[in-house]
Amino acid sequence: QQQVKQSPQSLIVQKGGISIINCAYENTAFDYFPWYQQFPGKGPALLIAIRPDVSEKKEGRFTISFNKSAKQFSLHIMDSQPGDSATYFCAASLQFPGNTPLVFGKGTRLSVIA
Amino acid sequence: DTGVSQNPRHKITKRGQNVTFRCDPISEHNRLYWYRQTLGQGPEFLTYFQNEAQLEKSRLLSDRFSAERPKGSFSTLEIQRTEQGDSAMYLCASTLGTAMNTEAFFGQGTRLTVV
Repeated sequence: QQQVKQSPQSLIVQKGGISIINCAYENTAFDYFPWYQQFPGKGPALLIAIRPDVSEKKEGRFTISFNKSAKQFSLHIMDSQPGDSATYFCAASLQFPGNTPLVFGKGTRLSVIA
Repeated sequence: DTGVSQNPRHKITKRGQNVTFRCDPISEHNRLYWYRQTLGQGPEFLTYFQNEAQLEKSRLLSDRFSAERPKGSFSTLEIQRTEQGDSAMYLCASTLGTAMNTEAFFGQGTRLTVV
């Protein structure tokens, strides 16, 4: 059972454009939704995270939009740059209580072309 | 470097051999997680520790997999009688383990190739 479904599998965006990656989750008990960025040969690194008490969080060019009723959240990368080319994973977990392990989506390979 | 450290970075082994990987978490982190990542997939949770206590191990892929964290610091993941299907990236992550400190820091992983 895949608890977090991510789409698209791959994405090509022009430099300066907006990259949008979507995720849907099943477990309504999840209360922490991070996005991780992974470059080849490296471990995932936290990009931005959100809790379900807010509908949007912005950090620089990265924004998470969260729709609790639809059980969906998305990552928007504004003014996409070639350096953003990486694989992005959404994830979810239960933090209160217990800090449970992250459940990851299958990833989106983003290519930003000049 | 004060991040999560994993050794070795790469391991090539023959089918049937045993392998052991080591993870050194960030020093003040009391939670340590092991994940497996296969090509084109997201990390898949295997097991985790709170200090030296193993809180969940039912997700280990088979009884050939075992993990320890004997003194609540570094951890080892052992795979016995390796199979070609064990080829993957094995990732370690650590967190402070408190409800308000949720960021999981990942190491660079150990890439296992079973030939």
